[in-house]
This record gives sequence, structure tokens and C-alpha cells, in this order.
Amino acid sequence: KAGVTQTPRYLIKTRGQQVTLSCSPISGHRSVSWYQQTPGQGLQFLFEYFSETQRNKGNFPGRFSGRQFSNSRSEMNVSTLELGDSALYLCASRGPGSGDTQYFGPGTRLTVL
Amino acid sequence: KNEVEQSPQNLTAQEGEFITINCSYSVGISALHWLQQHPGGGIVSLFMLSSGKKKHGRLIATINIQEKHSSLHITASHPRDSAVYICAVVSGSQGNLIFGKGTKLSVKP
Repeated sequence: KAGVTQTPRYLIKTRGQQVTLSCSPISGHRSVSWYQQTPGQGLQFLFEYFSETQRNKGNFPGRFSGRQFSNSRSEMNVSTLELGDSALYLCASRGPGSGDTQYFGPGTRLTVL
Repeated sequence: KNEVEQSPQNLTAQEGEFITINCSYSVGISALHWLQQHPGGGIVSLFMLSSGKKKHGRLIATINIQEKHSSLHITASHPRDSAVYICAVVSGSQGNLIFGKGTKLSVKP
């Protein structure tokens, strides 16, 4: 079974721009969660999608949004980028048989200049 | 105060040493994960615990629910064990993860 894939792996943007990141979960997994990792804050939960619905949301501003498609692929969008949005963005999927275990993708490293 | 605290933050060991990383949490949980993150970012789930003890190769994880504490032990450490080890608890009705800040382990040959 293929693992969780994320595209792109690296991205450089400038302040004020917007960005869309993509995550393809493991086949059969319907839950996709997004996380932000920075040196200062560590890993923080952004949101979780399940069957195309946002099930839970972390404490991030409205500039961070996401969606999930019928094939469980998920996208995350960040509008009006700020320097502090530079981070590694990770997605993770879980599904039948995995219980609470989440399987992480390799991440997208976003640099905002 | 963070809901999940790890200690130590940084750990340097000589190859072959026994290593312990600790995790304490202050929220109610349904499970606790130990994750390993190598340079480059990829995260691998090592263990998921809700009680007792689990062993996989040279790695052992324990959890004490009453004391809200978990430990990750590495026996006969090796340079390839060098990574950041992250404790994460499953909390809330939706089972979302709350992470510790991680412990950076460096094992010298």
C-alpha cells in the first residue's frame, strides 16, 4: 500500500501571497489531519477532515483553511502569507484498522520571504 | 504550562548506552504515541499505548495512566537512533493529537 504523499515537498513564497498544499492519504483512509511544525512551537494541530467534512479545528487564524475531496485527498490553503507561516506542514491519515495510529506524510516545507 | 511535557530536551549518548526519554501530560487521554522524526522531517509512529508496556526490538515504551507519565527506553543505543523523539497524546472526543516539544537524541559512535 502506498504511504501518505504530499505535494509539493518544498515551496518558497513571499509575504501576502497565498499557497495551496496537497495531501493524498493511504488508500482507504478517510481521515486526514494537518499539522504545522516550527522550531519554536513544535508540532501543532491545524484541522482534521473526515468524509469531506471538517471535524475539528486547532487554534489557528482564519487564513488557514482546508478541504477534502470525495476521494479523501485533502488540500490546505494559507492566504495572505506572513513570515511566521514558514514551517513544515505535515498531513497524516488514519482509517479502518489503524485505530488511533496516524500515518504521516513527508511534509511540505514552506518558506515565506 | 504545556499539556504535554518531555524531558530531557536534548540528550547525547555514547553508542551502547541505555537511554530513557520521559513524557508527562496533564489532560485526559485515550492513548499516547511515541513518534520518531529523522532530519528531513519524516515522522514514523513507534508505539501507541493506552496501558502497560510495549516492546519492539531495542525500544520499550511504558505508560502509567494514574501518574500521567510515559517513558521511552532504548537499549544498546546506536548512532542510527539519532533523531527527535516526540510524545503525543490522543485527547478529546475527536481523538486529536497534542504534541510534546520533542527530545533530540544524538548517539555518538
